[in-house]
This record gives sequence, structure tokens and C-alpha cells, in this order.
Amino acid sequence: QSALTQPASVSGSPGQSITISCTGTSSDVGSYNLVSWYQQYPGKAPKLMIYEGSKRPSGVSNRFSGSKSGNTASLAISGLQAEDEADYYCCSYAGSGTFVFGTGTKVTVL
Amino acid sequence: QVQLVESGGGLVKPGGSLRLSCAASGFTFSDYPMSWIRQAPGKGLEWVSYISSGSNYKGHADSLKGRITISRDNAKSSMYLQVNSLRAEDTAVYYCARGVVIGGSNSDAFDIWGQGTMVTVSS
Repeated sequence: QSALTQPASVSGSPGQSITISCTGTSSDVGSYNLVSWYQQYPGKAPKLMIYEGSKRPSGVSNRFSGSKSGNTASLAISGLQAEDEADYYCCSYAGSGTFVFGTGTKVTVL
Repeated sequence: QVQLVESGGGLVKPGGSLRLSCAASGFTFSDYPMSWIRQAPGKGLEWVSYISSGSNYKGHADSLKGRITISRDNAKSSMYLQVNSLRAEDTAVYYCARGVVIGGSNSDAFDIWGQGTMVTVSS
């Protein structure tokens, strides 16, 4: 159960688009279409942004989108806004009732 | 409204034990799988344990296997985590989280989170 690999930081200017990668293995990301993404502000609980790889819960902006190719999942944020500055974590189901989170990515809006 | 409230955290000496609780309200608790997820100070999220809606299926992180027991009481809309042989590296905020269920199917994600309870392991 090794953590999924994410870039430590990603930055962009307001209005730009950014992408956060999440690399796992054939035992987790590659085996299941069950990657989820979470946004977390300092001192707050995480918020679900994407589930089942590309589905958005009600209330989540359509500026957030998810995809997957092989062992790597991605979260894209378009039209970057100041409020998007936060930490983002991916998570994958890994079989047998287990899950694994990514290392986390700090998004900075320049 | 839909809510999860954790309790039971605190300062514990190395080698000690703790029982964390998660009280749910605002939804039919017995319909949802639940998980515990922790976050050490300044660090990332770490999934700890999972329990299915009927308690018949459980999963644990390898790093804690043998030291933790997850349970739930659907009649009380509550979930619990017993952690034994606590170590300094168990110091973290422990969150309980509800599993996503859509159309009766689990989507293996976490849509509702509590505010967390802090566990500090120190002598």
C-alpha cells in the first residue's frame, strides 16, 4: 500500500488551466475506475471533488474534471480562480476493502 | 443536516490505547459504508480502515494492521476505531468519512467528512 504519486506543487495564473497527475500501479489506479479527488483548505476537512474517475458530485463546479489513462489519473482545473488555492489529494480503491491516497499537491494561484 | 462528529481523541502515552467514536446524523447510517482516515500534522491524508454498511466486510491499512479494530452500531448511528499499542507516528487528526452510495451501489469514495479528532501520542 504505497502512496500514489502526485506533484508536490502546481501553480497557475487566474483564468489558466492546470492539471494534477496521480500515478499508481496496476494494483490500484490501473485496476479500478475508482479514483476520487479531494480539495482541502488549511485546518479544514477534505471535500470530495471527483469520484469514479470523472464524475462530479452535485455542487462541484464543472471547472473540475477527472480522467484516467493506465496507471495515472488526472485532475484538471480550468479557469483557475483564487478560491482554487488549496491542497488536492487523489485516492484509489486498491482491492479487498482497502484504499490508498496520493501524496498531495499544493495548488497556488499566482 | 448530514453530519459526522468524531470524539475520543486526546493525549496518550506510547503503548497506550484509545477508542475513537463517530456519531452520524441526518441520514440513514445503516445504508452507508464508513471509513477512518488520518492526517499527521503537516502531512497528507492516510486511509486507515473501512467497514461495510452491515459490518460484514472490513479493511485495514497494512501500517496499522493488528493494532486496530473498526466497528459500528447501526442502532446508535455510530462507528468506532480502537487503536492499541499507540506510537508517536500515530499522532494525527483522525477523520471519519461516509462512503459514496449511488443507486444502492458503492462508489468507493468519501462524500461526507467529520471535523476530525486529534490524537497525540507522547510521553
